[in-house]
Amino acid sequence: DARVTQTPRHKVTEMGQEVTMRCQPILGHNTVFWYRQTMMQGLELLAYFRNRAPLDDSGMPKDRFSAEMPDATLATLKIQPSEPRDSAVYFCASGLSSYEQYFGPGTRLTVT
Amino acid sequence: RKEVEQDPGPFNVPEGATVAFNCTYSNSASQSFFWYRQDCRKEPKLLMSVYSSGNEDGRFTAQLNRASQYISLLIRDSKLSDSATYLCVVLLSGTYKYIFGTGTRLKVLA
Repeated sequence: DARVTQTPRHKVTEMGQEVTMRCQPILGHNTVFWYRQTMMQGLELLAYFRNRAPLDDSGMPKDRFSAEMPDATLATLKIQPSEPRDSAVYFCASGLSSYEQYFGPGTRLTVT
Repeated sequence: RKEVEQDPGPFNVPEGATVAFNCTYSNSASQSFFWYRQDCRKEPKLLMSVYSSGNEDGRFTAQLNRASQYISLLIRDSKLSDSATYLCVVLLSGTYKYIFGTGTRLKVLA
């Protein structure tokens, strides 16, 4: 049963520290998404890639966030420096067509 | 105004009841529509796509009204296991940009 995997599942860090979240999309999927979920805003699309190329990162704060796909099996989301307002659950999702996306279990980030 | 709006609920209904959720979207360039289900502290999962002609999957029926820009989800004979948050999702035309509503919380009571 193919699944999207994310690491770490939980991360607690202090303000100002760098945070790196990793995602392994389902093998063969060519579209990868990063979302952030908070109680107030719900699920927000941060960035997405198609065939490893970034297509849209307009939802991402550019000054501190960066997303990359170094290869087809790994997507990363970095926050540097982290701030308390970045506390949220970060989901990665992958898909093969525009009509499906499968979510990973998420990384629960707390910045103190 | 949010691009996709939903009543946050919660909707508390007894087992066996029929419950309906609505969702409105503001971008007329919206191409495709979906309902996702999210259990507490879990990831969202696709429940069903929504087609222009309406579609049914067991106890679940989804409808789309493009003229009024709203989507609905009807759950018949609700079960305890239907308790979850239901997310309305819109895909913008010509993109892979999915816009999620903040969700409607359903509690089915014994």
